[in-house]
Amino acid sequence: GAVVSQHPSWVICKSGTSVKIECRSLDFQATTMFWYRQFPKQSLMLMATSNEGSKATYEQGVEKDKFLINHASLTLSTLTVTSAHPEDSSFYICSASGQGAEKLFFGSGTQLSVL
Amino acid sequence: AQKITQTQPGMFVQEKEAVTLDCTYDTSDPSYGLFWYKQPSSGEMIFLIYQGSYDQQNATEGRYSLNFQKARKSANLVISASQLGDSAMYFCAMREPDNYGQNFVFGPGTRLSVLP
Repeated sequence: GAVVSQHPSWVICKSGTSVKIECRSLDFQATTMFWYRQFPKQSLMLMATSNEGSKATYEQGVEKDKFLINHASLTLSTLTVTSAHPEDSSFYICSASGQGAEKLFFGSGTQLSVL
Repeated sequence: AQKITQTQPGMFVQEKEAVTLDCTYDTSDPSYGLFWYKQPSSGEMIFLIYQGSYDQQNATEGRYSLNFQKARKSANLVISASQLGDSAMYFCAMREPDNYGQNFVFGPGTRLSVLP
């Protein structure tokens, strides 16, 4: 199956700093990438959808200035958590879908802890 | 309104027995896809099985099969011969078209525990 690589797997940062998470499709062109947030023992909550070369579409309640998403190429999307605070601590996971593809492939996730 | 419903927050099954995880969905679009993903404690999301809304036969992938009942809008996952490694969270998901292309919606999940 298709491979999606997500880095870093975990990150600890100080409050007020920014953190960048990368999501790469390794063996296919990801026309659409999705970013999810997951709290412990809960389901995935879609944060935003990004299509290559265009601005991301954010879900209601997600601050676009807080969670910057860039999808500059068909193989890379990044999520930057700007001025992170402890309440931003969570598990973030990306997924990718190719043109006309039926399936959604996931990265391995990033556990963010903001001190 | 909840688009994907998984009514079983937790399930237990004895090793080597079969287990069914329930999933019902809600959509008015005739074209959609249904998925099951497994999430072990490591956090990764592992694709298990896919069923398209126009598929005539129930999908099967090894020990996984999907009991697709279109009229009832249900897509239950059946795991045969459970193994200890099957203990994980299981999410049912639906893909349907929206204004931006495709939209994936996940259910709340079912935690499966396989007992030795």
